[in-house]
Amino acid sequence: AQKVTQAQTEISVVEKEDVTLDCVYETRDTTYYLFWYKQPPSGELVFLIRRNSFDEQNEISGRYSWNFQKSTSSFNFTITASQVVDSAVYFCALRVTQGGSEKLVFGKGTKLTVNP
Amino acid sequence: EPEVTQTPSHQVTQMGQEVILRCVPISNHLYFYWYRQILGQKVEFLVSFYNNEISEKSEIFDDQFSVERPDGSNFTLKIRSTKLEDSAMYFCASSENRPAPIDGYTFGSGTRLTVV
Repeated sequence: AQKVTQAQTEISVVEKEDVTLDCVYETRDTTYYLFWYKQPPSGELVFLIRRNSFDEQNEISGRYSWNFQKSTSSFNFTITASQVVDSAVYFCALRVTQGGSEKLVFGKGTKLTVNP
Repeated sequence: EPEVTQTPSHQVTQMGQEVILRCVPISNHLYFYWYRQILGQKVEFLVSFYNNEISEKSEIFDDQFSVERPDGSNFTLKIRSTKLEDSAMYFCASSENRPAPIDGYTFGSGTRLTVV
């Protein structure tokens, strides 16, 4: 199966707390790509990061960081010093290939609420 | 920054009516996609389109659905004889190349379809 599991349905934190959103994936591809998208209350999908399977370096972008672990098939997302504006649904996604075409398979999303 | 534009942002239609959702992908992009998100659920792949033909379609994309690139700029999703369960947010996406563009698949802001 090729799928993404985001076990945390909802998380609520207080501003300035750190929070980690979990993502576990399954794929039969030897080369694959993982993504995180943010969906704020306005509804659009905002690209955050792409990670390919042959680059296990962790990535930091400001308050955001991502931890990619092939050994555990996980691609977790940490927000440091969370802010109210971080409140959104966050989706982890896996690029799946089949017969020359490709698509994204999304997890169910984690709804993050950051309270002031 | 180039955008994928979707119109309308919200459409209400009566059950049994036909609707056409419109998308203008980024001009130099070659690969086009439709995804659907039922309220509160995950984003699901519907169809991918390249070189004026469907590359892949999901089980959701049955004979009720069709896609077209009528004029080289627009990319449309037609839903014939809408059903209540077609109510969802529909996202168009495009990418310049494959695989998995570095800056992610660019999604439009979505069309919220409500079938009454």
